[in-house]
Amino acid sequence: ETGVTQTPRHLVMGMTNKKSLKCEQHLGHNAMYWYKQSAKKPLELMFVYNFKEQTENNSVPSRFSPECPNSSHLFLHLHTLQPEDSALYLCASSQDRNEGRSLFFGSGTQLSVL
Amino acid sequence: AQTVTQSQPEMSVQEAETVTLSCTYDTSESDYYLFWYKQPPSRQMILVIRQEAYKQQNATENRFSVNFQKAAKSFSLKISDSQLGDAAMYFCAYKTQGGSEKLVFGKGMKLTVNP
Repeated sequence: ETGVTQTPRHLVMGMTNKKSLKCEQHLGHNAMYWYKQSAKKPLELMFVYNFKEQTENNSVPSRFSPECPNSSHLFLHLHTLQPEDSALYLCASSQDRNEGRSLFFGSGTQLSVL
Repeated sequence: AQTVTQSQPEMSVQEAETVTLSCTYDTSESDYYLFWYKQPPSRQMILVIRQEAYKQQNATENRFSVNFQKAAKSFSLKISDSQLGDAAMYFCAYKTQGGSEKLVFGKGMKLTVNP
């Protein structure tokens, strides 16, 4: 399998649930990202990891908890979410975090919070 | 703060014709990167073309080319010989050189290709 793979593709959860989104990249990249895409709004960067270390947190609420066990895997743990958190969550990777490297995206997880 | 504006929410083009998508941005920096990404119904964002601000030559990738006007802070995408598979959301994005890894995206534009 190649590229960036995200699971699940769709997720419906209640506000009291705990769930996790998974991202895996098979490109040998060292940097991974979480983006949020809401309807009629620009994509928003959430987190950046470089060589498994978190390098950016774009003021994301603590109900979103990222985890990067290695350069190939990235998780987003969700708990006590709000309905306004419903969105498409996109994972991306790049060779490294420098020099404007192009991002390679997955197909996202469409999250609905009831 | 940097901003990216795509003023046209939707456009349509006839198959085999040429269409230009507009994008303007605001920054006080001199070195940065600009991108066009395409998002088809599959939802995967796909890089179309990339431009480095210090390069005067406009980037070209097969049927896709840009008109980069640094002084005007304009970065338009031209699609030649439009194909049905070009139908998608198109996003313009900006990244500063160094510092934050944040890609600043525009709101996107929906392109329809008519057969």
